[in-house]
Amino acid sequence: NAGVTQTPKFRILKIGQSMTLQCTQDMNHNYMYWYRQDPGMGLKLIYYSVGAGITDKGEVPNGYNVSRSTTEDFPLRLELAAPSQTSVYFCASSPLQRSQYTDTQYFGPGTRLTVL
Amino acid sequence: DQQVKQNSPSLSVQEGRISILNCDYTNSMFDYFLWYKKYPAEGPTFLISISSIKDKNEDGRFTVFLNKSAKHLSLHIVPSQPGDSAVYFCAASVGATNKLIFGTGTLLAVQP
Repeated sequence: NAGVTQTPKFRILKIGQSMTLQCTQDMNHNYMYWYRQDPGMGLKLIYYSVGAGITDKGEVPNGYNVSRSTTEDFPLRLELAAPSQTSVYFCASSPLQRSQYTDTQYFGPGTRLTVL
Repeated sequence: DQQVKQNSPSLSVQEGRISILNCDYTNSMFDYFLWYKKYPAEGPTFLISISSIKDKNEDGRFTVFLNKSAKHLSLHIVPSQPGDSAVYFCAASVGATNKLIFGTGTLLAVQP
């Protein structure tokens, strides 16, 4: 299993450009997530999905959009890039909820995005 | 409003000694706590967790302690090894929401 894969690894965007960050998992996990990590800060949840066709906002959703048409893929779309979106983006997945507690999340290697 | 706080940005210990990483939280609704380890240019990897009904959980060299009255948890690594050098994130969640709130991380350096 490759686990959670993300492309691209690095990207530089100009202000106002748009792009899609790709995320794929091969573990048949129901839940998928997008986080961003700013320098010196913890990870913050942008959007998450509990299954194909179902998405919801996290802590910092403004400026982003997501879709979940398959179990495996969860792309993150930036429509009008701004310097404030310069960050490292991590995708994660977790299996179907089995207990009363949060399940372990498995992270991809991240995409480092710079907006100039 | 930082609900999960790691007040030590960095920690340096000698190989073979104990590493203690601390984490404080403010939301009394949190009932599950996790520690993730992160190497440069990689995603975080799960290390150990504890539910609020316990005060201690061990896994090999790693032990997590939870003090609910103080809203404090700590990760003990004994003995520390150079390969443990990484950033350690504390995270917390409420129920089965699967929404994690992360601390800012502590960079651990284990000196040979």
